[in-house]
Amino acid sequence: DAGVIQSPRHEVTEMGQEVTLRCKPISGHDYLFWYRQTMMRGLELLIYFNNNVPIDDSGMPEDRFSAKMPNASFSTLKIQPSEPRDSAVYFCASNLGLPGELFFGEGSRLTVL
Amino acid sequence: AQKVTQAQTEISVVEKEDVTLDCVYETRDTTYYLFWYKQPPSGELVFLIRRNSFDEQNEISGRYSWNFQKSTSSFNFTITASQVVDSAVYFCALSEAGNTDKLIFGTGTRLQVFP
Repeated sequence: DAGVIQSPRHEVTEMGQEVTLRCKPISGHDYLFWYRQTMMRGLELLIYFNNNVPIDDSGMPEDRFSAKMPNASFSTLKIQPSEPRDSAVYFCASNLGLPGELFFGEGSRLTVL
Repeated sequence: AQKVTQAQTEISVVEKEDVTLDCVYETRDTTYYLFWYKQPPSGELVFLIRRNSFDEQNEISGRYSWNFQKSTSSFNFTITASQVVDSAVYFCALSEAGNTDKLIFGTGTRLQVFP
């Protein structure tokens, strides 16, 4: 079975550019999470969805970040405009509803110059 | 406020040694969940175990075992007879009853197992 699929795996962009990260969750999973991992702050939950509806976006750092889930098989995390401090690995994860049992993608490594 | 502390930043052992990764948590809730995740060099995090606050029974799965002690707010993870493939970063995490989907992760312990 395919796991959580994220794209791109690596993205290098310049400050001020728009960045869009994409995620395809595991089929049948009705929860989707976006996490960010940095050396300084560790793993942080940015936002999560249940049945395509955002449930908690309190971790989204600022208005430059937005996330959507237009259907059960696709989600995007957008940063506009990007800044060097946004450089991190962004993980998408999905879940069947069992508490905390997340299936993570391999991450998208973002570098903002 | 909830918090997870993994005081060991990095541990190095030689293959076949036993190793224990420490995890201390803080929460005001009486109902909560604790977790361990593994992050191998490939990058994706892999779920290992979930424990709820009402179940203090220790768990063993092959070479892995977990010791949950509410009295010391600890949820330690032991790997017996470590192998090179166990080399990874291990994260302990906590979620509370009011929001079981929101995991608070510790900072992780990097385990290096040398042949």
